[in-house]
Amino acid sequence: KNEVEQSPQNLTAQEGEFITINCSYSVGISALHWLQQHPGGGIVSLFMLSSGKKKHGRLIATINIQEKHSSLHITASHPRDSAVYICAVIRGSQGNLIFGKGTKLSVKP
Amino acid sequence: GAGVSQSPRYKVAKRGQDVALRCDPISGHVSLFWYQQALGQGPEFLTYFQNEAQLDKSGLPSDRFFAERPEGSVSTLKIQRTQQEDSAVYLCASSFSDRVEQYFGPGTRLTVT
Repeated sequence: KNEVEQSPQNLTAQEGEFITINCSYSVGISALHWLQQHPGGGIVSLFMLSSGKKKHGRLIATINIQEKHSSLHITASHPRDSAVYICAVIRGSQGNLIFGKGTKLSVKP
Repeated sequence: GAGVSQSPRYKVAKRGQDVALRCDPISGHVSLFWYQQALGQGPEFLTYFQNEAQLDKSGLPSDRFFAERPEGSVSTLKIQRTQQEDSAVYLCASSFSDRVEQYFGPGTRLTVT
């Protein structure tokens, strides 16, 4: 079983829809990242959080440490949001990231 | 300022060749990470440097993989006697210290034929 599980693997939405991507992990962590990867490989960090909730524009990330679960929400989705969204955790004793397999999001106009 | 840069962006190697992949981290970033991303998969950890010290190389898949960061800045990932299963995107990331936000380079796509 992977240490970081994401769902769904693939997601197709209509422009304007509210989107949720879920991440569950099974190891102790010091923080969790949500990353965005566009075709061609470039990865951008969207959020790093260790508790509670963070918001940036139309993106909201939440984490529940007790339940070992995090969600990424996109409000009023737009075709330019189409990308792979990856959840990654920093284990408590290490600095390296352990990644989920990603969620491929496609937003149709 | 400049982000993390990697070179080359694309590399095609014949099986058995040696390759060297370069990473230029953000200036002043202490921590540097190498990750390997196979097609359709999430990245996987290879190795981690704090300044010039390689503190964790547990993710290197075989002794054909070697990484160095001799002056605590630029890092090179070397793969000897490349095999087809080495084909992947190799990502470099740097951060101000460990366990804080990491900044990723664009990756080097290695194809072994």
